[in-house]
Amino acid sequence: QVTLRESGPALVKPTQTLTLTCTFSGFSLSTSGMCVSWIRQPPGKALEWLALIDWDDDKYYSTSLKTRLTISKDTSKNQVVLTMTNMDPVDTATYYCARLTRNTYDYWGQGTLVTVSS
Amino acid sequence: NFMLTQPHSVSESPGKTVTISCTRSSGSIASNYVQWYQQRPGSAPTTVIYEDNQRPSGVPDRFSGSIDSSSNSASLTISGLKTEDEADYYCQSYDSSSWVFGGGTKLTVL
Repeated sequence: QVTLRESGPALVKPTQTLTLTCTFSGFSLSTSGMCVSWIRQPPGKALEWLALIDWDDDKYYSTSLKTRLTISKDTSKNQVVLTMTNMDPVDTATYYCARLTRNTYDYWGQGTLVTVSS
Repeated sequence: NFMLTQPHSVSESPGKTVTISCTRSSGSIASNYVQWYQQRPGSAPTTVIYEDNQRPSGVPDRFSGSIDSSSNSASLTISGLKTEDEADYYCQSYDSSSWVFGGGTKLTVL
């Protein structure tokens, strides 16, 4: 079955760089049509799309955050990595990775809460 | 980029029908598929409607989706409301290499 799991630090300091890893199983990101995204949700707030990487290694970023984001994949390890630079307390959120197929985020990880505080 | 606007909250009684709207700010609602996700507290979202009106397996047929080009909006309708339907609901669509979520609607079943 398809599973995704996020991992990374629970606490980062302002100005630091956040690195999150999504480890997945049950599908291959080298299969045509497969994509993985990062999506975040501040406490009590709405979902916000951050970035997407597809099977062909094309990468897409949120317009408002693209200068701070980098998404990459390691197909052999079944992992997708997101880095976000210059972290700020407003970036405190639960960060999800999710698989996109047929226009839909059909599988999500459980999310990882990242708190930005000194 | 466009925005998707949803009502902040809706409430209805068990057994009744509720409709949640999702209005696209620019561009045609019909130009890209709309999805709907349900999120219960402390859990990741799950899909209840994809490609405007398709239900994933396991989602009851009490859930239905539609789009209305005249109002440039999509709608999620839940009939025969159950207390377990109480959750946050998000619409989502795509355009120009950008995936967009609505602001979410809190459904209270009281």
